[in-house]
Formats: sequence, structure tokens, C-alpha cells
Amino acid sequence: QVQLQESGPGLVKPSETLSLTCTVSGGSISSYYWTWIRQPPGKGLEWIGYIYYSGSTNYNPPLKSRVTISVDTSKNQFSLKLSSVTAADTAVYYCARQVVVRGVYYMDVWGKGTTVTVSS
Amino acid sequence: QFVLTQPPSVSGAPGQRVTISCTGSSSNIGAGYDVHWYQQLPGTAPKLLIYGHNRPSGVPDRFSGSKSDTSASLAITGLQAEDEADYYCQSYDSSLSGYVVFGGGTKLTVL
Repeated sequence: QVQLQESGPGLVKPSETLSLTCTVSGGSISSYYWTWIRQPPGKGLEWIGYIYYSGSTNYNPPLKSRVTISVDTSKNQFSLKLSSVTAADTAVYYCARQVVVRGVYYMDVWGKGTTVTVSS
Repeated sequence: QFVLTQPPSVSGAPGQRVTISCTGSSSNIGAGYDVHWYQQLPGTAPKLLIYGHNRPSGVPDRFSGSKSDTSASLAITGLQAEDEADYYCQSYDSSLSGYVVFGGGTKLTVL
């Protein structure tokens, strides 16, 4: 059974870069898409972007200029970098497995989430 | 703000049937992209509830999804106290370079 675990700093200063890693266990990262989603306090879900194990990516247009998602198949991990953060980037960040099949896109396995606060 | 529109809240008594709507447009639901539903219990990560018209293993058949034109619905029959949660619809939008979209979420209260 595939499990995902987010890790990274819980506090980031404004204007700096947020960096998170998701470790995949119980299965291989290969042959799947992997995604990042966030949820600001008390608000709804926002898709950030996904990466295929081969490295191809797709990002949410409003965040595209600040987001980089990468994958390390040797470590069974994928990562998120979000640059120039502000208080509006404070959120719980989730990693998930993204199903992409013949025009069907959904997330079937989720991590527990990690809280990131942007503050000086 | 959210590409898909959901009612902020719905409620129902135990045993009743409730539906949650999800309204999109011609570039997402209306373009034929499937709608998927997630359940988020308080303080936990979202969980896949419905994908298209299907339920993952372990999800009771009290939950069902449907879609028509540019909208979709989640129906919950035989409402139980444990169903009290936030529910999110999700699809794909073909505008720009294509991206995953969510609804703003609906809080279900079991009276």
C-alpha cells in the first residue's frame, strides 16, 4: 500500500523559497504522476502542480512563475520549491499521487500534510 | 476565485438524502472531463470518495456521483453522523495549458 510523507521547514521567511519533499513508500515512484496541493487556513484546496516520474511537469497558471517541482527516482521522492513567498502562501501542503489516464485526472493517495507558515 | 462552484454548506438529518452540487463551464465539466469528489474530515487530509462514477474500495455505496452538461452532483443517502465533513469536487480545465481545478468546498452538517 503506497504511503506518502511530506517533510520540510514549518517556518519560512517572506521573500524566501519554500522547499518541501514528499517521500513515497510501499511502491515505486515510476510510472505515475505526483502532485502538490495546498490548503490555506480555513479555506479550500488549491492545486499547485504535478510531475511525471520522467520529469515532465504541469503547473497551476497563477503559481507557474514561482513553482518548481522535481523528482528523484533513486530516492523515491519528489519535491516542491515555491519562490518569493508571502503570508498568502501560509497553508497546509499536501503531496498526492495523481492519476492521469485518457483525460481523467484525480488524486487517489494523499499524504497527511505539513503546515508551512510564512512569517519573519 | 474557484473555477468550480459549490454551495458553502448543506445539512440533513440522519437517514436523509442530501446532494451537493458542483457547477463548472464549457472548458471543464462541459468539455467532458470527469468530476471527482473528496471527503475531508476535520483535521485530516482529503480522501478520494468518488472518481467519475466509481467508488474506491471501502467507500460505502451510500455515496454516488453524477454529471450533466456543465455541472455535477454528489449524493449521499442514509445520512450518518460520521458523514459530517467538508466535500470538494475536482475536475480538469482545458483553458490555458490545462490544469486541475477544485470547487471551493461544501460543509455538510448532520443535524
